[in-house]
Amino acid sequence: NAGVTQTPKFQVLKTGQSMTLQCAQDMNHEYMSWYRQDPGMGLRLIHYSVGAGITDQGEVPNGYNVSRSTTEDFPLRLLSAAPSQTSVYFCASSYSGLAAANEKLFFGSGTQLSVL
Amino acid sequence: DQQVKQNSPSLSVQEGRISILNCDYTNSMFDYFLWYKKYPAEGPTFLISISSIKDKNEDGRFTVFLNKSAKHLSLHIVPSQPGDSAVYFCAALARLSGSARQLTFGSGTQLTVLP
Repeated sequence: NAGVTQTPKFQVLKTGQSMTLQCAQDMNHEYMSWYRQDPGMGLRLIHYSVGAGITDQGEVPNGYNVSRSTTEDFPLRLLSAAPSQTSVYFCASSYSGLAAANEKLFFGSGTQLSVL
Repeated sequence: DQQVKQNSPSLSVQEGRISILNCDYTNSMFDYFLWYKKYPAEGPTFLISISSIKDKNEDGRFTVFLNKSAKHLSLHIVPSQPGDSAVYFCAALARLSGSARQLTFGSGTQLTVLP
C-alpha cells in the first residue's frame, strides 16, 4: 500500500534556486496539505487543497506555490529558495479535509531540504 | 504565538512504568484533540484522539485525558515499552472555511523508554 508518497527524500539547494517537491496519494483523498517541521516549532501548515482546482493558504505560505490539477498530486514549488526554508517538509492527505472530527490525516515520509 | 504548546521537549521513562506527556492549548475554538507519533525518517501517524465534549478516551495502553477548564490534555502510556520511543505531537482541530478543518500541532515531545 503506497499511501502518501513524497519525492525526493533529500535535497540541497543554493539560495535563489527553484524546485518542486512532489506529493502523490493513491487513496482518492480530496484533502491534501503541506506542512513544514522545524525544531521547537512543531508542524506548521503551508498550503492545503480541498479538491482538484482548489487551493488555499495555511499558516506559513510565503515563498511557496501550490497547484492541484488532479486528485492524486499536490506539488509544492519553491520559487526562489532561501536559507529560512531549510526544513523537513511533510505532505498529508485525508478523505474530506478533516470535516469529520475523527478523520485521520495520513502523512508521507518527508523531504529533508537544505538551502545553502 | 503557539496555540498548542508542549513544554517538555523530552521525557525518559523506564520500561514498564507510566509515561505522561502533557499539552496545553489557548484557543477555545478547538473541538477535537489528537496525538500523533513520529519515528525517525517517517511521517507522523495517528495515535489517539478525544472530542472536546469528553474528558477521557482509552485505547489499549494509551489514554488521553482532557481538562477543558484548564485547557490541558495529557497522554498516558501504561506500561511503557521501548518501541514507544518516538516523538509525540499533540494536535488540535479548528474549523477553516466551509467544512474543512485545520490541525494545529505542538512542538513535540521526544519520549525515550529505557529497557
